[in-house]
Amino acid sequence: NAGVMQNPRHLVRRRGQEARLRCSPMKGHSHVYWYRQLPEEGLKFMVYLQKENIIDESGMPKERFSAEFPKEGPSILRIQQVVRGDSAAYFCASSPATLAGTAGELFFGEGSRLTVL
Amino acid sequence: DAKTTQPPSMDCAEGRAANLPCNHSTISGNEYVYWYRQIHSQGPQYIIHGLKNNETNEMASLIITEDRKSSTLILPHATLRDTAVYYCIVRPRSNNDMRFGAGTRLTVKP
Repeated sequence: NAGVMQNPRHLVRRRGQEARLRCSPMKGHSHVYWYRQLPEEGLKFMVYLQKENIIDESGMPKERFSAEFPKEGPSILRIQQVVRGDSAAYFCASSPATLAGTAGELFFGEGSRLTVL
Repeated sequence: DAKTTQPPSMDCAEGRAANLPCNHSTISGNEYVYWYRQIHSQGPQYIIHGLKNNETNEMASLIITEDRKSSTLILPHATLRDTAVYYCIVRPRSNNDMRFGAGTRLTVKP
């Protein structure tokens, strides 16, 4: 039973380019969460999605960032016109159901490290 | 907004118990205490969680004070591979996400 799979593990982009990060949740999980971790800092929540729906995007910058979780395929975090400040590790997590109302946990992937030159 | 306070760093001798404290003095009755850890550059790993009672699993024990304002994660026999940043998280039962703070950087020394 494969865990949460993220790719690419490392991505280098020049300023102004687009970055696309992909996340395949654990088998049977339909809820995906994206977090960002700047160097030497903790994880910051960005967005929570269910299949085809964004449930909470309160932690995601309003401009240049978008996320989707289509009916088929992985969840995508898209960053347009990247800037140096976007350099970070982006972690995806999944859960089998909504955490709300439960004592559930999140399962994390190994992250995608974005470097903007 | 993580609502928890942890020491920034701790050391522990290999083979000894590591006791990591967490203060969550504003916790409410419907909020869970979770512990995750992040070994260098890897994704966070779930350790344990609890609501009111102490909990134990194959990785660790979680001791929650009676007033629930603080808790302690205990790694009974720390190994070098337990060196990591440990995050204490308070999650309301009604919330869908985990909010991470700065955590405690535990260094296990030989």
